Amino acid sequence: GNSVTQMEGPVTLSEEAFLTINCTYTATGYPSLFWYVQYPGEGLQLLLKATKADDKGSNKGFEATYRKETTSFHLEKGSVQVSDSAVYFCALIRMNRDDKIIFGKGTRLHILP
Amino acid sequence: GAVVSQHPSWVICKSGTSVKIECRSLDFQATTMFWYRQFPKQSLMLMATSNEGSKATYEQGVEKDKFLINHASLTLSTLTVTSAHPEDSSFYICSAPDSSSYNEQFFGPGTRLTVL
Repeated sequence: GNSVTQMEGPVTLSEEAFLTINCTYTATGYPSLFWYVQYPGEGLQLLLKATKADDKGSNKGFEATYRKETTSFHLEKGSVQVSDSAVYFCALIRMNRDDKIIFGKGTRLHILP
Repeated sequence: GAVVSQHPSWVICKSGTSVKIECRSLDFQATTMFWYRQFPKQSLMLMATSNEGSKATYEQGVEKDKFLINHASLTLSTLTVTSAHPEDSSFYICSAPDSSSYNEQFFGPGTRLTVL
């Protein structure tokens, strides 16, 4: 079946540190891949996405590249800020109508000033 | 991008009462919407798929008589928690797929339910 595995948190970094949150997936066919961010007390916001192999999604300094050969979609940011503290969810959708989104368990990120 | 709203954003109710949560797609039509439940510090758990004009499809372990879903129009789905109990307290989130490509989901801001 389809699944998403992401590194468990919490991840604690100092401001301006380099961030990597690993995400790997298992899926039939060619899924679209996503990173969502959830700030405290809020719903999910789409951070970035990639719909085919070798695509790079980017937004707000975050990047992730769709690697089909390693079935990965790792999230990276070169210099994190305190405002990046949130929970990050890796997710996939297969390219089928009405298909359910599959989430990873989420990674809580704490950035220290 | 497309916007999904939820109402109310938070609700507190007494045990035994019923609570209705609305999910609306504001600038697009959604024949399908999804309802999730999120416990503190956990991921989203899909509860059910809401289908316009037909019955909802519930995930295994979700009581359909407890969580009533009605997809009354192409822009509105409602989740009613019947006879709520404290263990139903949670964060409820809905989503709707991008109807043009179905390769993205748009999420509502969530509704926090507290049952006393």
